[in-house]
Amino acid sequence: DAGVTQSPTHLIKTRGQQVTLRCSPKSGHDTVSWYQQALGQGPQFIFQYYEEEERQRGNFPDRFSGHQFPNYSSELNVNALLLGDSALYLCASSWTSTETQYFGPGTRLLVL
Amino acid sequence: QQQVKQSPQSLIVQKGGIPIINCAYENTAFDYFPWYQQFPGKGPALLIAIRPDVSEKKEGRFTISFNKSAKQFSLHIMDSQPGDSATYFCAASKNSGGSNYKLTFGKGTLLTVNP
Repeated sequence: DAGVTQSPTHLIKTRGQQVTLRCSPKSGHDTVSWYQQALGQGPQFIFQYYEEEERQRGNFPDRFSGHQFPNYSSELNVNALLLGDSALYLCASSWTSTETQYFGPGTRLLVL
Repeated sequence: QQQVKQSPQSLIVQKGGIPIINCAYENTAFDYFPWYQQFPGKGPALLIAIRPDVSEKKEGRFTISFNKSAKQFSLHIMDSQPGDSATYFCAASKNSGGSNYKLTFGKGTLLTVNP
């Protein structure tokens, strides 16, 4: 049973560029949440997708957007990258109506 | 506003010791409290979780103690091993309607278990 997978594992971008990160949820899960984890900090909630719609959003600007596909996989897009966007981006999956979230290994984004 | 406060920031114990990590929350609507373990370069892994109707939960060497009136909960690691050296995060979530949960994390505790 495959767990949550994310790609790519590492990414280097320059300021102003755009980036797309990808996530495949754990088998049987239909809900995907994205978190940003800055160095030395706890993960911060970006948004959650269910039934291909954004269901809830944290305190992140509109530069952060996402998408969920019919197979429940998801993408996180960040436009106009800033140096402060450098972080580990984590995807977590869950089954709707349950609180338990399982995290993927993350994508390490470095913005130069 | 930090809704989940975690302490200490770092902790060093000897093998076999019992490290205790504490968390306090402000929002009484929180109804699910998980603990995650994270190794460098990896994603957080769920260790154990508790709901406020239970005062203690034990899974293997990990125990959560929960004090609803004080709005505090803690993680105890029995017979700690060097392999337990990692960063530990407490978190909390509430049902935001429509079975819609998001996790609010503490800032983490870096645990070092010396051999």
